[in-house]
Amino acid sequence: AQSVTQLDSHVSVSEGTPVLLRCNYSSSYSPSLFWYVQHPNKGLQLLLKYTSAATLVKGINGFEAEFKKSETSFHLTKPSAHMSDAAEYFCVVSVTFKAAGNKLTFGGGTRVLVKP
Amino acid sequence: EPEVTQTPSHQVTQMGQEVILRCVPISNHLYFYWYRQILGQKVEFLVSFYNNEISEKSEIFDDQFSVERPDGSNFTLKIRSTKLEDSAMYFCASGEYGYTFGSGTRLTVV
Repeated sequence: AQSVTQLDSHVSVSEGTPVLLRCNYSSSYSPSLFWYVQHPNKGLQLLLKYTSAATLVKGINGFEAEFKKSETSFHLTKPSAHMSDAAEYFCVVSVTFKAAGNKLTFGGGTRVLVKP
Repeated sequence: EPEVTQTPSHQVTQMGQEVILRCVPISNHLYFYWYRQILGQKVEFLVSFYNNEISEKSEIFDDQFSVERPDGSNFTLKIRSTKLEDSAMYFCASGEYGYTFGSGTRLTVV
């Protein structure tokens, strides 16, 4: 079984300051890990993914995440927040089915507020 | 960029009525999924579909739910007799790793 814990339900940052969204996971197997973003009234957009290659993963819009197996963490960071980063962010772990495809297990989400 | 399209964006239905949520996955994808998010709760996996059959389903996906790929492009989720607790945002997705989600259908059962 797998699970994901996002340690902060809300994060508030000032524009131009760094953003850190914390995520810990639990998985019986080597996990694939993802971060998705959801802007108001929009779908879930993939920010980045880790699939056992480089532990530091770069994504879209200046976001990156580091996979730390010893800490079972996959924290998301951005050096300088922009107003358009205000959204809800989901950390996700994936397991592959026996037959085909993948099942995603979502964290509870972190809502980011960016202050001018 | 290819998109997953879901219709309608909002649906209000009476309790006990049947609803069909529609999705058009990305054309060259082979794996399709439905997820849902009840207000204030986590996004939950419902079902995956591959090679014209269900490959995995959650315990939520009971006999009142069904999925179908009626033609080469659409992928539908049917709820036979809706309950109040079925009110949620339903997301369709396609792909294999880090797949693409649609914008969702907000279903409200009254």
